[in-house]
Amino acid sequence: NAGVTQTPKFQVLKTGQSMTLQCAQDMNHNSMYWYRQDPGMGLRLIYYSASEGTTDKGEVPNGYNVSRLNKREFSLRLESAAPSQTSVYFCASGFQPQHFGDGTRLSIL
Amino acid sequence: GESVGLHLPTLSVQEGDNSIINCAYSNSASDYFIWYKQESGKGPQFIIDIRSNMDKRQGQRVTVLLNKTVKHLSLQIAATQPGDSAVYFCAEIRISGGYNKLIFGAGTRLAVHP
Repeated sequence: NAGVTQTPKFQVLKTGQSMTLQCAQDMNHNSMYWYRQDPGMGLRLIYYSASEGTTDKGEVPNGYNVSRLNKREFSLRLESAAPSQTSVYFCASGFQPQHFGDGTRLSIL
Repeated sequence: GESVGLHLPTLSVQEGDNSIINCAYSNSASDYFIWYKQESGKGPQFIIDIRSNMDKRQGQRVTVLLNKTVKHLSLQIAATQPGDSAVYFCAEIRISGGYNKLIFGAGTRLAVHP
């Protein structure tokens, strides 16, 4: 049972570089989400997709774009990375409850 | 190392004791509540949930209590084990526009000592 799989697990970028974080789920969920988690804080929603073909902004969408490629896959793109985007990024899927991947640890220098 | 939870409140307990982790939530209109456990280097893992029309729910070794009067949620872990050491987050859920909006608390670190 893979659940929610995120790649890569770790990444270091330079300011201004672009990157796409990948997420796939095998639970046939309609809803998928991207969160970021900063030290001492809970998760904050960046974007979500209620179903294949739809995406919407969450709490902190600035600097990010997303693509719901198909029902299984939901990617997060940083077009021009900034140090403020250094964080741990989590993908989740499902409705009640949401199921999370193990995260991508992203550092931007 | 794992940077999540560096400045979190910590609850230290002895192995075998019962643990109580508390959480205050903000919105009386929230539809239900979830407790997640997050181990170092992992994503949040679902533990137990409770609907807003309930005041108690029990699982295996865990009990969640909801006091809507004071907007307070607690997670009780019976016979705490070293494997329970983790950061615990409560989250309130508001169903909005066809998706579950999760509002996370800041978390509490549980440290279990042998």
